[in-house]
Amino acid sequence: SQQGEEDPQALSIQEGENATMNCSYKTSINNLQWYRQNSGRGLVHLILIRSNEREKHSGRLRVTLDTSKKSSSLLITASRAADTASYFCATAFLFSGGYNKLIFGAGTRLAVHP
Amino acid sequence: DVKVTQSSRYLVKRTGEKVFLECVQDMDHENMFWYRQDPGLGLRLIYFSYDVKMKEKGDIPEGYSVSREKKERFSLILESASTNQTSMYLCASSGTHRYEQYFGPGTRLTVT
Repeated sequence: SQQGEEDPQALSIQEGENATMNCSYKTSINNLQWYRQNSGRGLVHLILIRSNEREKHSGRLRVTLDTSKKSSSLLITASRAADTASYFCATAFLFSGGYNKLIFGAGTRLAVHP
Repeated sequence: DVKVTQSSRYLVKRTGEKVFLECVQDMDHENMFWYRQDPGLGLRLIYFSYDVKMKEKGDIPEGYSVSREKKERFSLILESASTNQTSMYLCASSGTHRYEQYFGPGTRLTVT
């Protein structure tokens, strides 16, 4: 079953605008991660936020996590055409062996128009 | 630069054929994963391995098996391919106590 669900499913904006994507999940997590996928390619890890963190920044990316609402948001500021991609949130569950299992949502398709 | 490679970008097989998808990582990672990706469903975990010769079922293991004889290599096997296994297959790896996963470019498999 899908743990994370992204909203919106698709987003279309102009270059320079900000893009916000949301993710909701159902059960307690160890951390939450965001990945980007360019058309037909593999996923690239963007940012990880731990369950005891509320906000994290990386370049033009800002991620928030609200564990009480079981939700996260990814903000991309000053978007560029190169940001056009699908974005996935993944909730992580830690196992005793030191590995974690990720459960991915269905993704948000972002289109940034020049 | 970290690298996960997959044996084929595109593959076309016939129903009933045995299919091997290979994944190799050069980061000395302990953990390796196989996912399939279908439109509207995101990525779903098929199998993962946290050590050589160890494997664990993911969420959708039916119709698949895996092999990990060497640390750097993780193979996904479709014993008898069926049309409902037409999908994009993604391999990933991660280090122990490291939570981000590194993905290969994917193999788009079509079963006719």
